[in-house]
Amino acid sequence: SYELTQPPSVSVSPGQTASITCSGDSLDNRFVYWYKQKAGQAPVLVIYEDKKRPSGIPERFSGANSGNTATLTISGTQTLDEAEYFCQAWDSKSYVFGSGTKVTVL
Amino acid sequence: EVQLLESGGDLTQPGGSLRLSCSASGFTFNKFAMSWVRQAPGKGLEWISVISSSGGSANYADSVQGRLIISRDNSKNTVYLQMNSLRVDDTAVYYCARTRGLERGYFDYWGQGTLVTVSS
Repeated sequence: SYELTQPPSVSVSPGQTASITCSGDSLDNRFVYWYKQKAGQAPVLVIYEDKKRPSGIPERFSGANSGNTATLTISGTQTLDEAEYFCQAWDSKSYVFGSGTKVTVL
Repeated sequence: EVQLLESGGDLTQPGGSLRLSCSASGFTFNKFAMSWVRQAPGKGLEWISVISSSGGSANYADSVQGRLIISRDNSKNTVYLQMNSLRVDDTAVYYCARTRGLERGYFDYWGQGTLVTVSS
């Protein structure tokens, strides 16, 4: 089965840039989506189709997908960006999620 | 405003059954596929099932194939998940999510989830 690999955690200082990677075989042959989940809350879509932002998502969130790695970048990270982030893609009749990355802002 | 409200989660014994419901509002329900995604305590997200806008097609994750059945009633703007032969490892928060595309899609709105606990 298809797997998406994410680092378990990323730490970033306020105002700096956080980069979260998501790796999978030939990942750039499919669209990647990113979700933000704060503790005790439902996930929220922050990036769709590799790099598009839904309405209401701040411009500091951006995405890219090349080769075997997709990247979610948070520029000018704020304390309210502290959350777990999951990537997601589609593979042969199944939606697949990455294992999640906890972003700590300190 | 899109709203999804799950219900039906409960404590049940292994081998038992439950039916989850997700009531939708704020959009034209019969134009969108709907999915169930679960999250075991302290774990990541796991997609388990999707149903087409008409209800005529459905797909399941291998981990639940044959035990869970997704359905929908477009007259009631509600999607269901019938859960049978429940196992301890089915314990999770179950989210319903509006799904953009039956295949190759994504989840643009999520409910707050309902907790299913399977334990003897």
